[in-house]
Amino acid sequence: SQKIEQNSEALNIQEGKTATLTCNYTNYSPAYLQWYRQDPGRGPVFLLLIRENEKEKRKERLKVTFDTTLKQSLFHITASQPADSATYLCALHTGGGNKLTFGTGTQLKVEL
Amino acid sequence: GAVVSQHPSWVICKSGTSVKIECRSLDFQATTMFWYRQFPKQSLMLMATSNEGSKATYEQGVEKDKFLINHASLTLSTLTVTSAHPEDSSFYICSARGSRGEAFFGQGTRLTVV
Repeated sequence: SQKIEQNSEALNIQEGKTATLTCNYTNYSPAYLQWYRQDPGRGPVFLLLIRENEKEKRKERLKVTFDTTLKQSLFHITASQPADSATYLCALHTGGGNKLTFGTGTQLKVEL
Repeated sequence: GAVVSQHPSWVICKSGTSVKIECRSLDFQATTMFWYRQFPKQSLMLMATSNEGSKATYEQGVEKDKFLINHASLTLSTLTVTSAHPEDSSFYICSARGSRGEAFFGQGTRLTVV
């Protein structure tokens, strides 16, 4: 069956450290993979998109990697801040690229 | 990025009544919008794809007669939850697609059916 798996347990890290979140998928062959941030009671906000032929993408303190052999994406936040605390969702283009299918998300807590 | 506005942000209704949720694209035209539902601590589940000027495409297991979708213009899609029951209580979110395939989401609507 098709699955998109993210760590269900919350990730707690200290301010200034690098947070690394994982997204693993099975039985998909996505051309694109995306990462979103969601705050409680709010809709997700788009962060980064990475294509299957790209190994790495950066945006300010964010970095995403995409390994189609491992079927895995890693999402890094460097120099993390308490304001980075949120749930982070990965999403794959599925259904011929017309749909986005989301993982369950990982909650990140950055502590002082 | 594009702006998608969703209204209302929360609503409480009595069991058996209907509730309409609006989703507007404020600074662009969206021929396609997407409606999701999210239960606490769970992922966003796609309910339906709303197509301007034509019928919506519903995902398997979603009752089209219960969740009525209308996309009458390039900037507005509506979701009506008909004859709502407590099990319909959830967080409903709409989105529109950007030029790169990224999704721009509305603020979400918290529906509570009592």
